Amino acid sequence: LAKTTQPISMDSYEGQEVNITCSHNNIATNDYITWYQQFPSQGPRFIIQGYKTKVTNEVASLFIPADRKSSTLSLPRVSLSDTAVYYCLAQGAQKLVFGQGTRLTINP
Amino acid sequence: NAGVTQTPKFQVLKTGQSMTLQCAQDMNHEYMSWYRQDPGMGLRLIHYSVGAGITDQGEVPNGYNVSRSTTEDFPLRLLSAAPSQTSVYFCASSPRDRGLDTQYFGPGTRLTVL
Repeated sequence: LAKTTQPISMDSYEGQEVNITCSHNNIATNDYITWYQQFPSQGPRFIIQGYKTKVTNEVASLFIPADRKSSTLSLPRVSLSDTAVYYCLAQGAQKLVFGQGTRLTINP
Repeated sequence: NAGVTQTPKFQVLKTGQSMTLQCAQDMNHEYMSWYRQDPGMGLRLIHYSVGAGITDQGEVPNGYNVSRSTTEDFPLRLLSAAPSQTSVYFCASSPRDRGLDTQYFGPGTRLTVL
């Protein structure tokens, strides 16, 4: 399983675009990059997944460079409700291993 | 659909007691998993199942048993509770074609062992 590294915490303001970068230097050929969001006292929620280039859905965008050694989750125009912990995972569809995640705080 | 449901929401046990945490899903998902989350930490995989009758160990399986007799249910048994098992437990499921890296999580069970 590829080890991922992401910032422990980030702060931003309402209406801003937030980019959270994750490094996964040892990602394997079959591994996908997946991001989850977790609010306090709730289970994680799947946000987005990608293999390479760019993926966009109604919630976020995921940018993956050609070497796939890193990825960036982009949250457009954040609001206070985006305050949560965000987990980056880079692994195959066998076992799910979560790191400590990035605690994102959105300020008014 | 109710999605993934877990019972109970809260539980207090004494050291040495046993209990079963219940997990059910109504989405006909083949894959189900159990995780524990300690304060300020990420989730750690306890056990998982890729289908009825099939289970396997995760990262921290000691002290826990599972079985998967139906597609819908995946109970987690604590054999002899210890204070180190105080944690929040999450159950998750995913369809076979999405794999274990895209899962739907339940609301969690907060367990305290005294």
